[in-house]
Amino acid sequence: GQSLEQPSEVTAVEGAIVQINCTYQTSGFYGLSWYQQHDGGAPTFLSYNALDGLEETGRFSSFLSRSDSYGYLLLQELQMKDSASYFCAVSLNQGGKLIFGQGTELSVKP
Amino acid sequence: EADIYQTPRYLVIGTGKKITLECSQTMGHDKMYWYQQDPGMELHLIHYSYGVNSTEKGDLSSESTVSRIRTEHFPLTLESARPSHTSQYLCASSAAPAGGSDTQYFGPGTRLTVL
Repeated sequence: GQSLEQPSEVTAVEGAIVQINCTYQTSGFYGLSWYQQHDGGAPTFLSYNALDGLEETGRFSSFLSRSDSYGYLLLQELQMKDSASYFCAVSLNQGGKLIFGQGTELSVKP
Repeated sequence: EADIYQTPRYLVIGTGKKITLECSQTMGHDKMYWYQQDPGMELHLIHYSYGVNSTEKGDLSSESTVSRIRTEHFPLTLESARPSHTSQYLCASSAAPAGGSDTQYFGPGTRLTVL
């Protein structure tokens, strides 16, 4: 079977840095994506890693270690609007389906 | 900016009714997907299509059916709605990747309640 594990919830204060981890056990692996979802709305794409290392996109960065089947999303300079659910998702093969984790609910406090 | 639309946004319907959830995208994407998501839970893939006249069942068993007669349109149908079908249904699309991420663009979802 396929499984992705991420913490169910994380709380942090404005201006802080938070890291959301994701470990996966899947039958194949092509890449790891991160999506953000506000209040059950449309998930939006944040970041993608196919190779080991860090990808930086503004305040958000994502890391992947294929040998450890592990990745994380790093959010810096947290803002209230970052309060949302964050999902990691594994691509099993190129152009294939995504398998989503259960999501991490991030609460940013003043 | 992604252009993917779902109608209706909210639907409350009685048991046994037939319903069709509409999904359209204007990006010319070959791939389209339907996900089911309960509040606070993960997205479960229920159907996907890699092009016209191509449809496959996803990882979560569903009593719904889909069709893909036109590239831009991917409707989902429930022949006889039941309370267990109450959920949010999210449609997504993606382009064939060119070595990069197969980013999926999501519609706003349809929140279905079956009484």
